[in-house]
Amino acid sequence: AIRITQSPSSLSASTGDRVTLTCRASQGIRSYLAWYQQKPGRAPKLLIYSTSTLQTGVPSRFSGSGSGTDFTLAISDLQSEDFATYFCQQYYSYPPTFGQGTNVEIK
Amino acid sequence: QVQLQESGPGLVKASETLSLTCAVSGGSISTYYWSWIRQPPGKALEWIGYVYYSGTTNYNPSLQSRVSISVDTSKNQFSLRLTSVTAADTAVYYCARALGGTLPSFEYWGQGTLVTVSS
Repeated sequence: AIRITQSPSSLSASTGDRVTLTCRASQGIRSYLAWYQQKPGRAPKLLIYSTSTLQTGVPSRFSGSGSGTDFTLAISDLQSEDFATYFCQQYYSYPPTFGQGTNVEIK
Repeated sequence: QVQLQESGPGLVKASETLSLTCAVSGGSISTYYWSWIRQPPGKALEWIGYVYYSGTTNYNPSLQSRVSISVDTSKNQFSLRLTSVTAADTAVYYCARALGGTLPSFEYWGQGTLVTVSS
């Protein structure tokens, strides 16, 4: 199975900041990567698929980039509702696998 | 708006069978792939498997010998059975709908249900 490593595991930021989260695959996955947001006790929410395509209704301050093995999720102008855990998922090969997540905390 | 809701026992004894159901509302279960995904405490999410509305299934090789997923289109729901559970199966279990085909990202998720395996 393809291993997905996310970094950092957590970060502290302030409202209005720009933050960048990283996801690395153990082998190339082309552009078959998705990003999710999860808040405590809530269902995960799909933010981005195919590396950079925003899911309907997701604010444009979220953006994704990368290809092959290295991917990033950027959040510009961080809002209070963005403090959450973010995790990525590859769907290039079976089984689909997820990263451990990055917790974005309020500084 | 599609909604998914997991239900089932929150406590299962070791060596017994874990059974969960996911009720789908706000849309038909037909024409989509439906998955179970779990998250052990402090660990990454793990895809368990999917069922298509026709009954076709595919499972994570790590669980394949113990898992079965079925669909009931008349009730708009699908179910998970995991046999011979151990403490390692303690996790929050989510049901989800695929965005796309057989190897997808996941567009809709249930809230999740915690299942604890007791010794």
